[in-house]
Amino acid sequence: KAGVTQTPRYLIKTRGQQVTLSCSPISGHRSVSWYQQTPGQGLQFLFEYFSETQRNKGNFPGRFSGRQFSNSRSEMNVSTLELGDSALYLCASSLGLAGGGPEQFFGPGTRLTVL
Amino acid sequence: GENVEQHPSTLSVQEGDSAVIKCTYSDSASNYFPWYKQELGKGPQLIIDIRSNVGEKKDQRIAVTLNKTAKHFSLHITETQPEDSAVYFCAGAGNYGGATNKLIFGTGTLLAVQP
Repeated sequence: KAGVTQTPRYLIKTRGQQVTLSCSPISGHRSVSWYQQTPGQGLQFLFEYFSETQRNKGNFPGRFSGRQFSNSRSEMNVSTLELGDSALYLCASSLGLAGGGPEQFFGPGTRLTVL
Repeated sequence: GENVEQHPSTLSVQEGDSAVIKCTYSDSASNYFPWYKQELGKGPQLIIDIRSNVGEKKDQRIAVTLNKTAKHFSLHITETQPEDSAVYFCAGAGNYGGATNKLIFGTGTLLAVQP
């Protein structure tokens, strides 16, 4: 069974630009969660999508948004990039069903550098 | 608010010794506690987890214990090997509405196993 895939693996952008990151979950998984990892703040929850709907959201500004498609693939978008947005963005896949396994499996991440 | 504290931040052991990492959570509604191992350049890998209705769980050299009253949970690695060297994260999650909620992560423990 293929794992979680994320593209691209590395990105370099400049301040003010916007960026879109993509995540393909494990086959059969319907929930995709996004996390930001930085040396200073650690691993922080951004949002979760299930069946194309945002089910939960962390404490990030509105510049961070996401969506999920009918095939469960998800994208996250960051607009008006700031230097502080430089981070490893991780996507996690899970079944997401009530009573189902709560296990979340992470992809390799997208390393975003904002110059 | 939700918070997970993790100690120690760094841990150095000799090969063959045991390693213990401890976490404390604040949210009484948390009922799922996974542990992740993250190697350099990779996403976090789920290594073991425990649910609030269980006090202990073992998987070969790895075990996790949970004390719900004290809101503590710990990771125990026995017979450590150099390949166990990595950053380990604990996390907590509530199971609101029947589906897994967001993971709240600890700050990580850098484990170094000396040959």
